[in-house]
Amino acid sequence: AQSVTQLDSQVPVFEEAPVELRCNYSSSVSVYLFWYVQYPNQGLQLLLKYLSGSTLVKGINGFEAEFNKSQTSFHLRKPSVHISDTAEYFCAVSDGGQNFVFGPGTRLSVLP
Amino acid sequence: GAGVSQTPSNKVTEKGKYVELRCDPISGHTALYWYRQSLGQGPEFLIYFQGTGAADDSGLPNDRFFAVRPEGSVSTLKIQRTERGDSAVYLCASSEYLGENTEAFFGQGTRLTVV
Repeated sequence: AQSVTQLDSQVPVFEEAPVELRCNYSSSVSVYLFWYVQYPNQGLQLLLKYLSGSTLVKGINGFEAEFNKSQTSFHLRKPSVHISDTAEYFCAVSDGGQNFVFGPGTRLSVLP
Repeated sequence: GAGVSQTPSNKVTEKGKYVELRCDPISGHTALYWYRQSLGQGPEFLIYFQGTGAADDSGLPNDRFFAVRPEGSVSTLKIQRTERGDSAVYLCASSEYLGENTEAFFGQGTRLTVV
């Protein structure tokens, strides 16, 4: 069985500061990892995904994530956040199908 | 359409009633998924379709839940004898085909409230 842990339910950060949203997973098989963002009153949008190859993955809106197999982590980072980055962020794992297992989400609040 | 469309956006129903939630996927997408998102939690997989057939319905919580996609496009999630615990946002997504190399596009969801 697969599971995803997002330890931080809420992360407040000032505008232009760096941010890291943590994600850890557990799985008995090879995994594919994803980060989705959910803006208020909108659907989920794919930020980035790791399928294979380079462990550093770059996504949209200046976000990137690094796959660390030994630590079973896939933390999301951005060097300088904007007010518009305020949203809920979900980490997800898949074993190859599209039935993702999502984490509980981290609410990022960017303060002026 | 330009994206995945879900109707209604909000639905309030009384306990014990029957409800139908509709999903219009992106045109040409063969794979369609349903997820349920309860308050404060991440989306939880319910079922996915490849074409007209349910490829995996292991996430449906019980036999009160059923989904169809008769023509391989629009899908309807049906809930019988609704309970207060069914209150959640029901999300639909579609992708061009089934597999990890294709992106799943999500709709805005239907917020179901059972009173």
